[in-house]
Amino acid sequence: NAGVTQTPKFQVLKTGQSMTLQCAQDMNHNSMYWYRQDPGMGLRLIYYSASEGTTDKGEVPNGYNVSRLNKREFSLRLESAAPSQTSVYFCASQRTRDTGELFFGEGSRLTVL
Amino acid sequence: GDSVTQMEGPVTLSEEAFLTINCTYTATGYPSLFWYVQYPGEGLQLLLKATKADDKGSNKGFEATYRKETTSFHLEKGSVQVSDSAVYFCALSDPGNQFYFGTGTSLTVIP
Repeated sequence: NAGVTQTPKFQVLKTGQSMTLQCAQDMNHNSMYWYRQDPGMGLRLIYYSASEGTTDKGEVPNGYNVSRLNKREFSLRLESAAPSQTSVYFCASQRTRDTGELFFGEGSRLTVL
Repeated sequence: GDSVTQMEGPVTLSEEAFLTINCTYTATGYPSLFWYVQYPGEGLQLLLKATKADDKGSNKGFEATYRKETTSFHLEKGSVQVSDSAVYFCALSDPGNQFYFGTGTSLTVIP
């Protein structure tokens, strides 16, 4: 069972470059999320999609864009990467927005030089 | 706003020792409370949860009780194993389903 799959797992960028993190879930979940994890700060929500066709900003959306391509896929784009975006990024899904448990991918480690 | 505070790590214990990781929360409503575990190189996995006051969540020998009077959800295990080495996150979800995570506590269990 794949669950939530993220690609790539590792990426190194130079300042100003762009990239897209891909996320797909095979659990037929309606809601999907992007978090970033930084030392000493726990997980912070970047964007979420409560259902297909909708996206909303979370706590730290600046510098990011998202696309809910279909029910399965939710991508995160960095248009012009900055060193402050060096982090580990996690995608998560949830059956619906009010059912509690989040299911996480394995994470994508991004370094911006 | 809502928030979660958990004890700082890292925590190092010998195998079979008793584990407590403290977690307290601030919330205006009646949140659900969670413990997630992150093993090295993996994403977060739900360990246990409690949805109302006095509920006890339990899984794999771990337990936590939702204490409204002390706004706490401390994680305990009576006898830890090397395989329990991981980072543990306390979290809450508010009635609007916004999740708030603690900063994580790293646990290392040595044989």
